[in-house]
Amino acid sequence: SQQGEEDPQALSIQEGENATMNCSYKTSINNLQWYRQNSGRGLVHLILIRSNEREKHSGRLRVTLDTSKKSSSLLITASRAADTASYFCATDVQGAQKLVFGQGTRLTINP
Amino acid sequence: SAVISQKPSRDICQRGTSLTIQCQVDSQVTMMFWYRQQPGQSLTLIATANQGSEATYESGFVIDKFPISRPNLTFSTLTVSNMSPEDSSIYLCSVGNNQPQHFGDGTRLSIL
Repeated sequence: SQQGEEDPQALSIQEGENATMNCSYKTSINNLQWYRQNSGRGLVHLILIRSNEREKHSGRLRVTLDTSKKSSSLLITASRAADTASYFCATDVQGAQKLVFGQGTRLTINP
Repeated sequence: SAVISQKPSRDICQRGTSLTIQCQVDSQVTMMFWYRQQPGQSLTLIATANQGSEATYESGFVIDKFPISRPNLTFSTLTVSNMSPEDSSIYLCSVGNNQPQHFGDGTRLSIL
């Protein structure tokens, strides 16, 4: 069964604004990853945060991880039209050697 | 990062037929994964394919419906057998000796 739950399911903002997506999970993890998917194509890896890390940055992306709450957030700053996509969190579950994906957030950036 | 080529990119098939999807990687990888993404949904793992051993299927997926081959460390196939309209999905392969995983562009499959 899907472990990750994401909210919101859909988010629509104006270009230049920040977008925040949240992910919750249920079991212990080795790491948590965020992926982007453009219009039904393959997934592109964005960022990986390990279970002993609390925050990680990559360009306009900032990811936080709170293992006590079993939750993560992805912040995209200064959004652009090209950021329009679906975003998925995925957890590398301890002992499972596989990723479990959340339901995803559909992000629309309006020009 | 690994470059993954997946073929075909899309197909329209008749009910009751079978289709084999190919996944080629430009480097040797131990673990390959096959996912299904139903319309508007997230990814669900079908099976893990390791070279030299039988694929490991997730709950709800069986070998008779989704046979997988893994003849070497750079190639795998997934067959969708006896297709029905419910099999209309995007099928994606991914690789990942170490996280993160890298994905092919997927095969968009429509069954009439």
